Amino acid sequence: GQQVMQIPQYQHVQEGEDFTTYCNSSTTLSNIQWYKQRPGGHPVFLIQLVKSGEVKKQKRLTFQFGEAKKNSSLHITATQTTDVGTYFCAGGGGANNLFFGTGTRLTVIP
Amino acid sequence: NAGVTQTPKFQVLKTGQSMTLQCAQDMNHEYMSWYRQDPGMGLRLIHYSVGAGITDQGEVPNGYNVSRSTTEDFPLRLLSAAPSQTSVYFCASSSQGAGGTDTQYFGPGTRLTVL
Repeated sequence: GQQVMQIPQYQHVQEGEDFTTYCNSSTTLSNIQWYKQRPGGHPVFLIQLVKSGEVKKQKRLTFQFGEAKKNSSLHITATQTTDVGTYFCAGGGGANNLFFGTGTRLTVIP
Repeated sequence: NAGVTQTPKFQVLKTGQSMTLQCAQDMNHEYMSWYRQDPGMGLRLIHYSVGAGITDQGEVPNGYNVSRSTTEDFPLRLLSAAPSQTSVYFCASSSQGAGGTDTQYFGPGTRLTVL
């Protein structure tokens, strides 16, 4: 079955350092979505990428969708303590299926 | 709008007990789904519905039942609770199919412990 792998599982960074999480699918995705979940909270939608090679930016966050539409990345520049949480990618694999990655838990050390 | 609401927030069950997790949305979304979240496993789809009267199985449906009698409500029933069903359960909705181009709106979650 379809799998979406995400690395790393955990990342600890000093405040001000950059952070990147990677998402890889075993099959071609129709789209990729990214979500953030704060500790004790629920996933909140960040962005969706649809086109091959697409790059989108939200302030300090940069999202990329691979040319083959099988991988994606989220890069945060100059992390802040408000960036703490778990970041999930979710790949669209069909009409009604969204496959979530295992998530990357980000800790930011002040 | 309240968005997606879930009740209860916390629940403790004994093995073999049954219960229903409630989920409601007031955004007139057609698509609703249930996920469970376990440490290191991400979010796994249990069941989903593309509209009232239509439900289908996700990745991990065993031990759970759903129904969709109205657009607003999508309850999840545990038939005979087992310790393996200890998890955090999230309900989500969107206006299109999950593989489409729309945002998933998640409820606050239900933390379930089965003893």
